[in-house]
This record gives sequence, C-alpha cells and structure tokens, in this order.
Amino acid sequence: SQQGEEDPQALSIQEGENATMNCSYKTSINNLQWYRQNSGRGLVHLILIRSNEREKHSGRLRVTLDTSKKSSSLLITASRAADTASYFCATDAGAGGTSYGKLTFGQGTILTVHP
Amino acid sequence: SAVISQKPSRDICQRGTSLTIQCQVDSQVTMMFWYRQQPGQSLTLIATANQGSEATYESGFVIDKFPISRPNLTFSTLTVSNMSPEDSSIYLCSVVQGPYYEQYFGPGTRLTVT
Repeated sequence: SQQGEEDPQALSIQEGENATMNCSYKTSINNLQWYRQNSGRGLVHLILIRSNEREKHSGRLRVTLDTSKKSSSLLITASRAADTASYFCATDAGAGGTSYGKLTFGQGTILTVHP
Repeated sequence: SAVISQKPSRDICQRGTSLTIQCQVDSQVTMMFWYRQQPGQSLTLIATANQGSEATYESGFVIDKFPISRPNLTFSTLTVSNMSPEDSSIYLCSVVQGPYYEQYFGPGTRLTVT
C-alpha cells in the first residue's frame, strides 16, 4: 500500500512567495527524503532527514519531521519560476542492513510558480 | 553523489517485444534499485538488484516479466518482457550512498508501448 500522502496535490503561487508541501506516512521510518522532478524526467535529491531529526535546512529549503504525527513538510522560501516542478516525499522504513533503501513514495505535489 | 546514466533515454516499442534498459554508475555501490513511474503517478519499487545473486522483487512484480542482472557493483540491466501498453512508464534506477542512505536516481528511461 502507498506509504505517503502529500498535500496539496497542486499548488500555484507567485514568484517570491513561499511554498509549503506536506507529507504524511503510516509506519515507522529510518529517514524521509524529498525529491524534485521536472516534467517527468529524473528525480533530483533535495534533502534527507533522519528519524531522530526535527528540522533541516538547505539553501532556500526547510524540512521538518514530526514522527509522533508521522508527517513532514517542505518549505521553499522566496520561490522562483525555476522551482516549478513536482515534489515527492519518500520514506525509508528499513530496519537495518539490506532492508534499507526501499523507498515508498508519496503521490507528489505539483508546484507552479508564476513569474 | 554518484553519477548515474541510463540507456536508452526513451524508446517506442511494439506490443509483445522486450526492451533491456541499462544503468551505469560512476562508482561502486552496494545497493541498486529499479523503480517504475506510470503516467501521472508516483514511483513504485520494482526490485532490488543484488550483485552476484538474484534480484529481490516487490509484491506485484515477477522475474519472468522484469528480469534483472547485476554483474558488478557499477552496472545493472532491467528487461521489460512481452510488453503491453500497460508497461508504458518511466523506468528509473537508483543507488544508495552515504552513511544515512541517501538515494540518488538516474535520468530515467521513458518507454512507450504501442
């Protein structure tokens, strides 16, 4: 079954505004990763947050993780037209050794940033 | 992070035929995976490509339909066999690197079956 659910499914904003996307999941996780995909091409890795972390930053990106609520959020600040893409969360519920790495993806959020 | 390439980048194939997709990594990696992304959908894990042993398939995917080879730590192939239009998807390989199991993806192979 699909682990992650993301909302909103689509988000349309103006350049310069902030964009927030949310991800919920169902089981305990080892880590949660966020990806960007432009027009059905390959996935670009944005950020990984481990289960014992609550917040991480990378440039204009801020990710939070609440394991008690089984949810995560991705905030993109001061958005640009080039941020237009689909964004996916993916959870790794691996319990150790070779069970790591099997990602379960959310349904994704389509972000459109208007110039 | 590893540089991952896939061949072909896209293909249009006839129903009933097979296509082999190659995935090449510029460094040795232990963990390599294959995913499928159906049109307008998210990604689903097909299998773990194990070096020196058979691939491990996820529920709903079988070796006869998606045979996988992993001859060494930098290369893997996925074959989509006896294709039908329902197999039209983007197929992506990925590798895990780093102490926290960051996963990186290749550019994908866009397959259309007519």
